[in-house]
Amino acid sequence: NAGVTQTPKFRILKIGQSMTLQCAQDMNHNYMYWYRQDPGMGLKLIYYSVGAGITDKGEVPNGYNVSRSTTEDFPLRLELAAPSQTSVYFCASINRDNTGELFFGEGSRLTVL
Amino acid sequence: KNQVEQSPQSLIILEGKNCTLQCNYTVSPFSNLRWYKQDTGRGPVSLTIMTFSENTKSNGRYTATLDADTKQSSLHITASQLSDSASYICVVSDRAAGNKLTFGGGTRVLVKP
Repeated sequence: NAGVTQTPKFRILKIGQSMTLQCAQDMNHNYMYWYRQDPGMGLKLIYYSVGAGITDKGEVPNGYNVSRSTTEDFPLRLELAAPSQTSVYFCASINRDNTGELFFGEGSRLTVL
Repeated sequence: KNQVEQSPQSLIILEGKNCTLQCNYTVSPFSNLRWYKQDTGRGPVSLTIMTFSENTKSNGRYTATLDADTKQSSLHITASQLSDSASYICVVSDRAAGNKLTFGGGTRVLVKP
């Protein structure tokens, strides 16, 4: 049971480049989340999804896009990368009614230069 | 706006000593309260989950308590070990908002030999 898998673990981007952070879970969870964590700070919600085909904005959605075509996958797209998007990104998933254990991936460290 | 406040922001303790972390929240009504441990550079890992009807829950040397009347929770670490050095995050589910998760800013604990 792999849980929540994120790729890549590390990435360096130039300003203006685009990329997609991948997230997959094998627990059949409906709810999935993307968070960012800046150095020494708490987790901030970027986007979330309550099921395939349904996504919604969190606290800090600007500069990002998501899609949820399957229950398992929830990719995060960065368009026109900016230095302010340098951060560690965490994907998480939880069961249908959001009351169980929230499982996190190991994170994707992104640096924009 | 629902808030989850954690204190202290950071603390240093000597190996073998005990410590207590605090979490105060305004989320009401809430479904459950979670404590997570986040090692540096890793994703958060669940320590305890408590529903509003539970007062205490233990996971090894970690004991969480909950007072739903005063909207306070604490995480007690007994006989601290060097491996307890991490950030500890309190997360509260908002039952009135589809169990939306609200994160505290975390407490950073450093255990010194």
